[in-house]
Amino acid sequence: QQPVQSPQAVILREGEDAVINCSSSKALYSVHWYRQKHGEAPVFLMILLKGGEQKGHDKISASFNEKKQQSSLYLTASQLSYSGTYFCGTEIAGGYQKVTFGTGTKLQVIP
Amino acid sequence: NAGVTQTPKFQVLKTGQSMTLQCAQDMNHEYMSWYRQDPGMGLRLIHYSVGAGITDQGEVPNGYNVSRSTTEDFPLRLLSAAPSQTSVYFCASRTQGINQPQHFGDGTRLSIL
Repeated sequence: QQPVQSPQAVILREGEDAVINCSSSKALYSVHWYRQKHGEAPVFLMILLKGGEQKGHDKISASFNEKKQQSSLYLTASQLSYSGTYFCGTEIAGGYQKVTFGTGTKLQVIP
Repeated sequence: NAGVTQTPKFQVLKTGQSMTLQCAQDMNHEYMSWYRQDPGMGLRLIHYSVGAGITDQGEVPNGYNVSRSTTEDFPLRLLSAAPSQTSVYFCASRTQGINQPQHFGDGTRLSIL
């Protein structure tokens, strides 16, 4: 089952913040986050493991709440280069490391 | 180091034709997957493999066959193409272990008329 992402789309002005959410109905082992530019392949951002950790690099970070089976991606002080579609991918416990992706969140950053 | 290589990049087929999408990786990754991407549907898992000789179905396996005779290659076969299979297809690989990301190929854009 695909994880559910929200919102489906968001438009930001440069410098604004955004949060993208990902939730699953199944017990998760890990959550992956990827960004895809139009016409290109998805590019890896980060992985979070169960244990409720939070990760980040530059102004993009994420958290994982394993009790709620939810993850959130935080984009701070957005830049034009952040535009793209963001996907969360989930691995369920006992899922043999297959990764199932959500439907994506289209983010557009405007000047 | 080429990573994940998909061929062809573009293809147009007629309904009923058969075709094999090729995927090869040179990173000695154990796990390989095929996804299709359609507008508003995200990336949907078609088939995946955890090693040579071992494959399993994903979310949308109907109409597709796979095999994994070597660690490097994971071809996807459409036996009788249908217009509903018009999509962008991505192959991905990853190595064993926690904290390991998926590495994606550049995709194959397939149109079925």
